[in-house]
Amino acid sequence: DAKTTQPPSMDCAEGRAANLPCNHSTISGNEYVYWYRQIHSQGPQYIIHGLKNNETNEMASLIITEDRKSSTLILPHATLRDTAVYYCIARLNTGFQKLVFGTGTRLLVSP
Amino acid sequence: DVKVTQSSRYLVKRTGEKVFLECVQDMDHENMFWYRQDPGLGLRLIYFSYDVKMKEKGDIPEGYSVSREKKERFSLILESASTNQTSMYLCASSPRLAGLGEQYFGPGTRLTVT
Repeated sequence: DAKTTQPPSMDCAEGRAANLPCNHSTISGNEYVYWYRQIHSQGPQYIIHGLKNNETNEMASLIITEDRKSSTLILPHATLRDTAVYYCIARLNTGFQKLVFGTGTRLLVSP
Repeated sequence: DVKVTQSSRYLVKRTGEKVFLECVQDMDHENMFWYRQDPGLGLRLIYFSYDVKMKEKGDIPEGYSVSREKKERFSLILESASTNQTSMYLCASSPRLAGLGEQYFGPGTRLTVT
């Protein structure tokens, strides 16, 4: 897996967009960018993934730069329940490679 | 929605006991995984299974075994529990061979061995 770098913590006001950055400058051409989050004392939750194009689902949007060296996860209207640690992973989507979470970004959404 | 359920949220066992952790998924996923998560050590893969009756060792299989008799169920067995197996145990499933980055986790079982 390519190394990823994320800020250790971020704050966001409830109702505002939360933009979580991730750097993955050594990503290879066939590695995907995956995002997970883990709310305290719960199992990790898959959010979204992408290769080159921007992706959107019911939870979030993923913006990947054209050179693929960085990406941003966007929670368009953050709620208190979005307070969690967010993990960015760059990896192949084939083969039995285990998931490896780095230290992630601790997002605190406040009223 | 994909649902992965685990038999217990909290479990307390004594050293030497045989412990069974059950995991069930309801989305007909081929692949299932058992991890443990410890502070400072992150997520570590114990075993995974890509089909019924098939299993592969992960990074830390020692002291554990698994069973997958039905597609939807993957069990983790601690043959003789020890205090160093006190941890959060997480089960996950994944829908296909390609796309193993997309894993769906259960709520976790926090096991304490005394």
